[in-house]
Amino acid sequence: DAGITQSPRHKVTETGTPVTLRCHQTENHRYMYWYRQDPGHGLRLIHYSYGVKDTDKGEVSDGYSVSRSKTEDFLLTLESATSSQTSVYFCAISETGVPGNSPLHFGNGTRLTVT
Amino acid sequence: AQSVTQLGSHVSVSEGALVLLRCNYSSSVPPYLFWYVQYPNQGLQLLLKYTSAATLVKGINGFEAEFKKSETSFHLTKPSAHMSDAAEYFCAVSSGGSNYKLTFGKGTLLTVNP
Repeated sequence: DAGITQSPRHKVTETGTPVTLRCHQTENHRYMYWYRQDPGHGLRLIHYSYGVKDTDKGEVSDGYSVSRSKTEDFLLTLESATSSQTSVYFCAISETGVPGNSPLHFGNGTRLTVT
Repeated sequence: AQSVTQLGSHVSVSEGALVLLRCNYSSSVPPYLFWYVQYPNQGLQLLLKYTSAATLVKGINGFEAEFKKSETSFHLTKPSAHMSDAAEYFCAVSSGGSNYKLTFGKGTLLTVNP
């Protein structure tokens, strides 16, 4: 299995509080991604990174920010959590940015509940 | 733009029966296509991928999928279902290029009955 660790695995927080989720990889892959998974929606891309300090928005980026100061760590921050951000968050990595060359490897997810 | 439609949010089969999970895609350029599987409380694992080589793609655990351009389909099959195949399956498409943006379908939950 790809060396991807997400922390925390579970978190309950209150509306309006900031939350940071961490993804740590030991594969030295260049590309890292944050997805959210919701019933009936599949997985949707929040943000991704194509190198240290290089990030870009995905399809559902509103209310989220990311940072990547080291190759191995990709942080997802909810500046002010809302109930609509209750979800399961997955980190993924890939060696290259070309789908045909390297698959996405996923972490085991973080279940976030905003009350 | 790219999109994926998985027909049937829930499919139930008997152990030993054929598994058929349907996926149709939309892409403005020749696509890359993927099937992922998710077991409970785990992340997604790649089952197989189509990258413009052979149209019939074989994956892990006895699964295979056939790319049919004329039908814009990439259906997943397995001749004989096993109890361990019970999971959620996701079809995904990428229109290539760099930065690897995958668009996922909404998923199909496969139940295998004894």
